Amino acid sequence: GENVGLHLPTLSVQEGDNSIINCAYSNSASDYFIWYKQESGKGPQFIIDIRSNMDKRQGQRVTVLLNKTVKHLSLQIAATQPGDSAVYFCAEESGANSKLTFGKGITLSVRP
Amino acid sequence: DADVTQTPRNRITKTGKRIMLECSQTKGHDRMYWYRQDPGLGLRLIYYSFDVKDINKGEISDGYSVSRQAQAKFSLSLESAIPNQTALYFCATSDRSSGNYGYTFGSGTRLTVV
Repeated sequence: GENVGLHLPTLSVQEGDNSIINCAYSNSASDYFIWYKQESGKGPQFIIDIRSNMDKRQGQRVTVLLNKTVKHLSLQIAATQPGDSAVYFCAEESGANSKLTFGKGITLSVRP
Repeated sequence: DADVTQTPRNRITKTGKRIMLECSQTKGHDRMYWYRQDPGLGLRLIYYSFDVKDINKGEISDGYSVSRQAQAKFSLSLESAIPNQTALYFCATSDRSSGNYGYTFGSGTRLTVV
C-alpha cells in the first residue's frame, strides 16, 4: 500500500519497550481528542479517546494523557509489539457540530 | 462485509475526466465525511454531511463536489480531474446519538490522475 508515513517524524522503539507518541494541538477550545492508528494500505482505526474534563484514560495496553495547560496529548503503548508498527494520528474537535481536525501523524517503527 | 465500503479501491484516470468515488455504510450513522490524504500531510477534510441532503464544505473543497441522496451513501466527484488530485481518499462516518464520537473509516480509494 501507499506509504502515507513518508516524510513523517518517526519513532523507533525496541520490541517490548514502552512507546510514547506526542501530539501538540492548536485549538484551546477543543474538547474531544482521539488517537488513530493507520496501517499500510488501510484506513485509520480508532484506538482511544478522551474528553477535556479528563486528563488520563486507559485502554488495553494504551493510555492517553491530556495536558490542557500546554495543549499536549500523548499516547502511551505498553510492551510495544511488531503489530503496533503504523502511523499514529491525533485528532481534536471543538463542539458537537464541529469536525475532527487531524494532526500530520507520526510513524512508529518497532525493532525486533 | 466492511462497515464502510469505498469503491473503487484503485483508479487511474486522465486529466480532464470526470470521476466519481462511492462510499456506502451499514452502520446507520447520520454523519459522513470525505477526506484526502497525501504523504506527510495527514488527513484533510473535503466535504461533510450531517444528514441526507445536508452538504458542507471542508477545508479543501475546490475541484470537488458531493452528493448525499441516502443516509447510507455519500459520493465524491471530481468534475475535471487534475494531476494534483492524485491522492488517497477516505470516507468516514460518525454518529453523535450513540455517544461514541469516533469516526469509522473506509479502506480508502487510491486515485491517480495522469
